[in-house]
Amino acid sequence: GAVVSQHPSRVICKSGTSVKIECRSLDFQATTMFWYRQFPKQSLMLMATSNEGSKATYEQGVEKDKFLINHASLTLSTLTVTSAHPEDSSFYICSAKIAGGPINEQFFGPGTRLTVL
Amino acid sequence: KNQVEQSPQSLIILEGKNCTLQCNYTVSPFSNLRWYKQDTGRGPVSLTIMTFSENTKSNGRYTATLDADTKQSSLHITASQLSDSASYICVVSAGGSYIPTFGRGTSLIVHP
Repeated sequence: GAVVSQHPSRVICKSGTSVKIECRSLDFQATTMFWYRQFPKQSLMLMATSNEGSKATYEQGVEKDKFLINHASLTLSTLTVTSAHPEDSSFYICSAKIAGGPINEQFFGPGTRLTVL
Repeated sequence: KNQVEQSPQSLIILEGKNCTLQCNYTVSPFSNLRWYKQDTGRGPVSLTIMTFSENTKSNGRYTATLDADTKQSSLHITASQLSDSASYICVVSAGGSYIPTFGRGTSLIVHP
């Protein structure tokens, strides 16, 4: 149980385009999902916390107008990188917390590799 | 400031050998500590979780220890296999917070 999927697993796009990444909890409901970014040989860095039915909470230094987050249902959150640039190239990982589950238990998705040319 | 430090940064061992990874933390108030394995290009997968009262926890060839007094944890891998090559991340959660503190990870390479 507690499986989280991400789609796509890998995406290459041109500079200036927008890219949408989906995060789904497959066998549980997730009122809270998290979006992380990971650069090579670095640890995961929290970008934003996504709560179902409300606005996402962004970490300091993360542009909310550039990284649009939508958490429209209890099993789906999306991250849209708008007007992507090469410096946005990174590994994006989402995680989900089970609704009503332990406050600090997260289940991670497999990640999405974004390459901006 | 909550911090998690891991050592070594990278480690190369021969297949079949044992190894121990270290994690020191300053997260407060402490709630739990998890070790994750992250294969290249994949998301982290939980190996063990330890709370304040637990000193040792095993998951197959992985054994984690926790010393809450010195705020140190270790992950011991026994009889390493090629598939153990990955990054091992120590993650510490504070009580009342759903945002954990991540270590930078130890990159382990197992050679045949």
